[in-house]
Order: sequence, then C-alpha cells, then structure tokens
Amino acid sequence: DADVTQTPRNRITKTGKRIMLECSQTKGHDRMYWYRQDPGLGLRLIYYSFDVKDINKGEISDGYSVSRQAQAKFSLSLESAIPNQTALYFCATSTYSNQPQHFGDGTRLSIL
Amino acid sequence: AQSVAQPEDQVNVAEGNPLTVKCTYSVSGNPYLFWYVQYPNRGLQFLLKYITGDNLVKGSYGFEAEFNKSQTSFHLKKPSALVSDSALYFCAVRGGSNDYKLSFGAGTTVTVRA
Repeated sequence: DADVTQTPRNRITKTGKRIMLECSQTKGHDRMYWYRQDPGLGLRLIYYSFDVKDINKGEISDGYSVSRQAQAKFSLSLESAIPNQTALYFCATSTYSNQPQHFGDGTRLSIL
Repeated sequence: AQSVAQPEDQVNVAEGNPLTVKCTYSVSGNPYLFWYVQYPNRGLQFLLKYITGDNLVKGSYGFEAEFNKSQTSFHLKKPSALVSDSALYFCAVRGGSNDYKLSFGAGTTVTVRA
C-alpha cells in the first residue's frame, strides 16, 4: 500500500463546482503539504500544515482552502472551481525541514 | 527570496553515456538541496539531498550530485545512463532560515535512447 494516498486520481468537473481532494498518509509524519504542478512551472506550494492545529498559506493559496482532520489526513478544497485551476495536484509529507518530502501519486484535475 | 533554475528543459543522451542535469539556486543562508525524479502518472520520488558535509552526495539508482557553493550549483550526475532513467527531474532548495518552503525548479525532461 502507498504511504501517501490521494483520492481521486482523476477528476473532471465544471466551472463553479466545489471540489475536494483528499490525502491520507501512513508515514506518521506531522508535516503535510499541498502543491500544484503546471508544465514548465515546477511545483508551487498551496498550503502546508505542521500539525493539526497549525495550517498556513503557501505561495498560491487564493481560491483554495484546506482542512487537517487528523494527523494523517489533509484535504484541499476548491470552493468554486475555475478553468485556470486545471492542474496536477500533489500531497506530500515530511518530518523535519532537512528531511525529504514524500509525495502521493497526484490528482489530475480538469475544470471545464 | 529563494529560487531554483534548471537551465535545460530537455536533456538527451545515449544509453551508457554520462548524464548531467544542471541546477543553480539562490537562497539566504545555507541551502538544503534536493533532487527528485518523476515518472509518468506518479508522484515525485526522492533521489538525494545535500544538507552539510561532503560536497559529493550519492543517492538512489546510481545518481550523485555535487554541491558547489561558489557557483551556487547542485548538478545531478550519473556515470552511465540507462533507458529506464528517462523521466522528469526536479531540483529543489530550502534556505536554512526557512523552515517550510521548498522551492522547485521547472524540471528537466531526460530522455535516454537505446
């Protein structure tokens, strides 16, 4: 079983819809992150959480919200999806800042 | 602000030849540097990191990287490339004073031809 699991893996939806992407981990890490990947731009940080009560905005948080339901679960919501949010979304986890992050396999989101 | 540059969008090499993927960075303080690889329809997989110590870092699958402080570079290398090394490679950096933000380069697509 994967250590970092993202659901769904693929989603096609319409402009204006509310979307939730879910991430769960079995690594026991405190830190969790949401990124989006766009071709030619690498990965950009949307939100990050150092524990259940500590949630912070990343560099591109507008239009997104998150919820850390438990140490192992971190969900990303698009309240009213728009086409330029079409991207590949990744969840990641880590322990300390000098340790590598561990990524899920991503959610490919298309907004029509 | 911290940043990473991967100057080559694509690198093409023949199997058995050396492979180099370039990365330069800009941070305040001492850098934490990482290389990741991404295969199609998969998440990023960690290859290696530099935190401190020896400038030559060895990682997974025969990859290594050399930290050069004066040139602010952290190039990824493999002495003999395999077709299975074909993938998208990302360099990432975190500044020593920045506890959360990992900045990624745009990525380099490596194609190894048989």
